[in-house]
Order: sequence, then C-alpha cells, then structure tokens
Amino acid sequence: AQSVTQLGSHVSVSEGALVLLRCNYSSSVPPYLFWYVQYPNQGLQLLLKYTSAATLVKGINGFEAEFKKSETSFHLTKPSAHMSDAAEYFCAVSERGSTLGRLYFGRGTQLTVWP
Amino acid sequence: NAGVTQTPKFRVLKTGQSMTLLCAQDMNHEYMYWYRQDPGMGLRLIHYSVGEGTTAKGEVPDGYNVSRLKKQNFLLGLESAAPSQTSVYFCASTQSFYEQYFGPGTRLTVT
Repeated sequence: AQSVTQLGSHVSVSEGALVLLRCNYSSSVPPYLFWYVQYPNQGLQLLLKYTSAATLVKGINGFEAEFKKSETSFHLTKPSAHMSDAAEYFCAVSERGSTLGRLYFGRGTQLTVWP
Repeated sequence: NAGVTQTPKFRVLKTGQSMTLLCAQDMNHEYMYWYRQDPGMGLRLIHYSVGEGTTAKGEVPDGYNVSRLKKQNFLLGLESAAPSQTSVYFCASTQSFYEQYFGPGTRLTVT
C-alpha cells in the first residue's frame, strides 16, 4: 500500500511570506499526486494534480507544486501567503495502473496565516 | 448540477443505535468512495464501489456496511454505532482517476 508523509502537522507564516508544505510518498513507481485543501467545516477541494509530463504543476489560488522523482516528493508552495489561505492541506496519491482509483492521504497540515 | 451531496449533515447517535448515511452524485460517475476523517489521521478509506452493484472494503471497514443499488447513490450503514465511530464522513466520486469530487461531509457523534 502507498504511504504519504506530510512533514509538519502545523505550519504558521506571516501574510506575504512564502508558504511551503512538504509531502513525500513511498512508491517506487511515481504515482498520481494531488493536493487538496479543506476550509473549516467544508469538504475537500482539489488544488492541483500531477499525472504526467510537466513536473512543475500550477494550481488554483496561486499554489504550485513540484514533482521530484529522486526525492519522492511533491511539495506545495505559494510565494506570498494570504489570510484566506488559512486551511488544512492534504497531500494524496493514487497508484498508476490501478483500476480502483482510490486515494491514499497524508495526515494533513494545518496552515495558519498571521497578519 | 449539485455534484456530490450527503445526507444528513449532522447526527448524534447513542451507542448501539443504527443509521444510514446517503451519498448521491449527479455526474454519472462509476467510482464512489466513503472516507472517515479523524483529527491528525487524514482521510481513511472505509469502503468503495467501482460500479453499480459492486462494493469492496477499504482500509477501515469494520463496523460499516455499504450498498450501491443505483449508480448515483452510495449508502454507508452503521448497524450498531460505537463511540469509536465518532468522526466526519466524506463521500467522493470520480470517473477518470484524475480527480475525486468530495461531498460536504457528515459529522457524526456517538455518545
């Protein structure tokens, strides 16, 4: 089974600062990779996804993530944090070639943005 | 186009009671999933379905049953609720494996 590790359950940044949320996966075969965001008392919304080709993926709300095969990582970044970015972020993977489409989630990172 | 809807939004049960959570999607997706979300644990897969009439166990299936009698609906049942089943339950659906669409969640408390 896949394993997804998100380093840091809580990250705090000042408004305007760089956001960096870390995600590492365990598979030897690069999976499909996703970042989801969850605002308080809401469901999950897809931020961005990596399925193939370009290793730098741009998503919504100014977020982007880079797939690094050698590091088995898919870290999420945003150059300048905004108060509205405060939320919980989940990294998830799905196995290539699987006929089930199931997602394996990391434990989540709570992002706090200080004014 | 409502996407994925879940009923109810909130529920409080006493230990031993039963209930059914309903998930409905109007996107004609083949694949549907039930997850539970607990603090610090991320989302864990309970059961899933790859098509009408099919279901399979996920990572944490004990204490739950599911049914997919109609393509658009995926029901999650708790036959005898336990406090350990206090959680937020999310349903999701997909067609392409490139994105799962999530419902708004059901917050269940078992006392």
